[in-house]
Amino acid sequence: ETGVTQTPRHLVMGMTNKKSLKCEQHLGHNAMYWYKQSAKKPLELMFVYSLEERVENNSVPSRFSPECPNSSHLFLHLHTLQPEDSALYLCASSQDPGQVTGELFFGEGSRLTVL
Amino acid sequence: GQNIDQPTEMTATEGAIVQINCTYQTSGFNGLFWYQQHAGEAPTFLSYNVLDGLEEKGRFSSFLSRSKGYSYLLLKELQMKDSASYLCAAMDSNYQLIWGAGTKLIIKP
Repeated sequence: ETGVTQTPRHLVMGMTNKKSLKCEQHLGHNAMYWYKQSAKKPLELMFVYSLEERVENNSVPSRFSPECPNSSHLFLHLHTLQPEDSALYLCASSQDPGQVTGELFFGEGSRLTVL
Repeated sequence: GQNIDQPTEMTATEGAIVQINCTYQTSGFNGLFWYQQHAGEAPTFLSYNVLDGLEEKGRFSSFLSRSKGYSYLLLKELQMKDSASYLCAAMDSNYQLIWGAGTKLIIKP
C-alpha cells in the first residue's frame, strides 16, 4: 500500500458540477497539503493542514474548498470551476509543517479536466 | 520576489553524465531540495542540501553554493529509467518551499 493515495486519478467535470478529490495518508504524518501542478509551471501550494487545522491558504479562489476531518484524510471540494482550473492536483504529507528537512511525500495526483 | 530557475528540458545519452542546474532567489534560506517525478507519477524526494558542498547518494549527487544561490543535480551512469522531470525547490526563512517549474530529462539509447 502506497504512503499517500489519491482518488480519483482522473476526473472530467463541467463548469457547473460539484465534485470532490480525496487523499489518504498511511504514514502517521501530522501535516497534509494540496498542490496544483500545471504544465511547465512550478508547483503551487494551495492549502496546508497541521493536526487538522488549516494553517495556510494561499489566496485560493473560494470555488476550491478543503476539508480535513482527521490527520489521515484530506478532501478538496470543487464547485463551479473554470477551464483554467484544469491541472494535476497533488496531495502531500509531512511529519510536521515547515520541518527543517522539508521532505514531502506525494500522492500520484488527480488529473482534473474542466470542460 | 522569490524565484527558482532551471532549464525546461535536457537530453542525454544512456551511460553518460548529466548536470541539471538550479539558481534560486529567496527571502532567507533553509535548504535546497531535489525531487524526481516520472510521468504520471508522484514526485519523490531525492536530496536535501543546506550546507555548501557536494552530497553523494549512489549515482546521484547534489551540490550547493549558498553564496551564489546555485545548486546542481548530477546524474552518473544514466539509465533509461532516469527519464523524468527533476524539480528544484528552495526553502525560505518561513520554511515555505519555493518550486522551480522542473527540468524534463530525456535519455536516449
